[in-house]
Amino acid sequence: SYVLTQPPSVSVAPGKTARITCGGNNIGRTNVHWYQQKPGQAPVLVIYQDSDRPSGIPERLSGSNSGNTATLTISRVEAGDEADYFCQVWDGSGNRVVFGGGTKLTVL
Amino acid sequence: QVQLVESGGGVAQPGRSLRLSCAASGFSFSNYGMHWVRQAPGKGLEWVALIWDHGTYRSYADSVKGRFTISRDNSKNTLYLQLNSLRAEDTAVYYCAREPQPNYFDSWGQGTLVTVSS
Repeated sequence: SYVLTQPPSVSVAPGKTARITCGGNNIGRTNVHWYQQKPGQAPVLVIYQDSDRPSGIPERLSGSNSGNTATLTISRVEAGDEADYFCQVWDGSGNRVVFGGGTKLTVL
Repeated sequence: QVQLVESGGGVAQPGRSLRLSCAASGFSFSNYGMHWVRQAPGKGLEWVALIWDHGTYRSYADSVKGRFTISRDNSKNTLYLQLNSLRAEDTAVYYCAREPQPNYFDSWGQGTLVTVSS
């Protein structure tokens, strides 16, 4: 079964750049989607199909995907970016959705 | 605006059943695939099941296959999840989610909590 690996936590100072990785075998060959979840709230889609942003998501959030790693990059980090972030793909071999374990972003 | 409202959660004993509902509004429900995703307390997201727009295809996570059934009533704009043979490890917040294009989710409900405990 396909496995997505995320670091459990990432810490960054306000105004700096945070990079959250999502590792998977040849993940660059598939579309990766990213969700932000704040405590007590439902997840929110922030990046879809590797690098597209839904309306209302700031340009500070961007995505890339190549080889065995997809990356969510948050530039000029703000306190409001503190949340859990999950990557997600479709595993066509198993006909199922797969989520990464999630990364807690802490703004110092 | 798109709205998804789950209901039907609660406390159930191991081995018992529950049926969750997800009422959709603000979009043409019958044109979208729909999913259930769950989140155990303090844990990450786990995909549960999907159903195509007209219900012709369904898929399940291995952890629920044979116990849970996803269905929909497009005339009522409602998605369902029948949970049978419940186990303690099924305890989670269950979210319904809309799929604008294959296999990602642009809208989520607020979730309904299922607690399996004797």
